[in-house]
Amino acid sequence: EIVLTQSPGTLSLSPGERATLSCRASQSVSSSYLAWYQQKPGQAPRLLIYGASSRATGIPDRFSGSGSGTDFTLTISRLEPEDFAVYYCQQYGSSSRGTFGQGTKLEIK
Amino acid sequence: QVQLQESGPGLVKPSETLSLTCAVSGYSISSGYYWGWIRQPPGKGLEWIGSIYHSGSTYYNPSLKSRVTISVDTSKNQFSLKLSSVTAADTAVYYCARGFFPRAFDIWGQGTMVTVSS
Repeated sequence: EIVLTQSPGTLSLSPGERATLSCRASQSVSSSYLAWYQQKPGQAPRLLIYGASSRATGIPDRFSGSGSGTDFTLTISRLEPEDFAVYYCQQYGSSSRGTFGQGTKLEIK
Repeated sequence: QVQLQESGPGLVKPSETLSLTCAVSGYSISSGYYWGWIRQPPGKGLEWIGSIYHSGSTYYNPSLKSRVTISVDTSKNQFSLKLSSVTAADTAVYYCARGFFPRAFDIWGQGTMVTVSS
């Protein structure tokens, strides 16, 4: 079973700054079946990135994903006030359990 | 646009079966995609429960497989979750969602809180 470890647990930044969130897998993620979701309090998760680097429909281009194998990154180029939330990575390959990382909380500094 | 809405009891007794339904609007389930359930215990992370393809093929998380049944009713454009022998550990917000893969989801319902307690 692949375990996803996200870091840091909490990231404190100011609007306008660049955010870099990490997701490390215990084994290689097949065919880059890696997604990123954003979740705000009291809301359902929202798909941001799939296939490690493809933006979902309607997602602003300040969000970008990169990586392969065991190391993946979500970058938010210039933080907007609405970007402060919890972010989860997820691996969704055919042999996986669809496991999610434990989340990174992005908070306003 | 595509919308999903969960419904079902908010309180279930230990050892009983949790039953939830997800009504889909704006898209016909029989046209395609996967349809899944994900849960989130209070203050914790996300766990994929299982999914069903529009044709009826099912995919379950191995850790829950022995207790989970997901079914689809194309005539009502809805799909359902049954989780048997529940315990307090099954207390969570349960989300239904549309999947572009069996285990990855692009449109989510708002979620429904289910508490397991006597």
